[in-house]
Amino acid sequence: ILNVEQSPQSLHVQEGDSTNFTCSFPSSNFYALHWYRWETAKSPEALFVMTLNGDEKKKGRISATLNTKEGYSYLYIKGSQPEDSATYLCAFRWSSGTYKYIFGTGTRLKVLA
Amino acid sequence: SQTIHQWPATLVQPVGSPLSLECTVEGTSNPNLYWYRQAAGRGLQLLFYSVGIGQISSEVPQNLSASRPQDRQFILSSKKLLLSDSGFYLCAWSGGASGETQYFGPGTRLLVL
Repeated sequence: ILNVEQSPQSLHVQEGDSTNFTCSFPSSNFYALHWYRWETAKSPEALFVMTLNGDEKKKGRISATLNTKEGYSYLYIKGSQPEDSATYLCAFRWSSGTYKYIFGTGTRLKVLA
Repeated sequence: SQTIHQWPATLVQPVGSPLSLECTVEGTSNPNLYWYRQAAGRGLQLLFYSVGIGQISSEVPQNLSASRPQDRQFILSSKKLLLSDSGFYLCAWSGGASGETQYFGPGTRLLVL
């Protein structure tokens, strides 16, 4: 059974703080790892698609790293703002020729002003 | 540009009634299509995916079914709803020039009473 785990489940930080959370996935047969941001009352929105071990991606104050050998990815938010409040999801796709994705349960971030 | 539509936005149905949720994609051809469900307090669970017309892969045994009668149309159905079918249903697409990234529709909130 393929399992994707995210930690922590939820997180409260003060505005201006930097924060990070983790996505753990199976380290064998890796194909791609996605990060999404899901704001309340909206649809999940893609942040990053990561495919290579050692990948680092950045979009504004948000960045992500990937370690496929040990099966984890970190998402970092620098200088958190209230508008960063959302659930952050990771999704794993493995190289079995399938097009399906296994999602983690998400990390719910609340940034306090 | 590509857009994805889902309807209805919300639905309240009695136990034992049928269900039909529709998803359509515009602006791309031969997309991979997905149905996900988020039950209360849980992550996104993949229900079905399709890589082409008439091709449906089912991920979990349940009383739901999916069909893809046209290239950019994906339908989620049930003959008799159960209380446990309540949740938030999301349709998504990927593929073509957009590559790996999944793009999600606005979702349907289903409450079975």
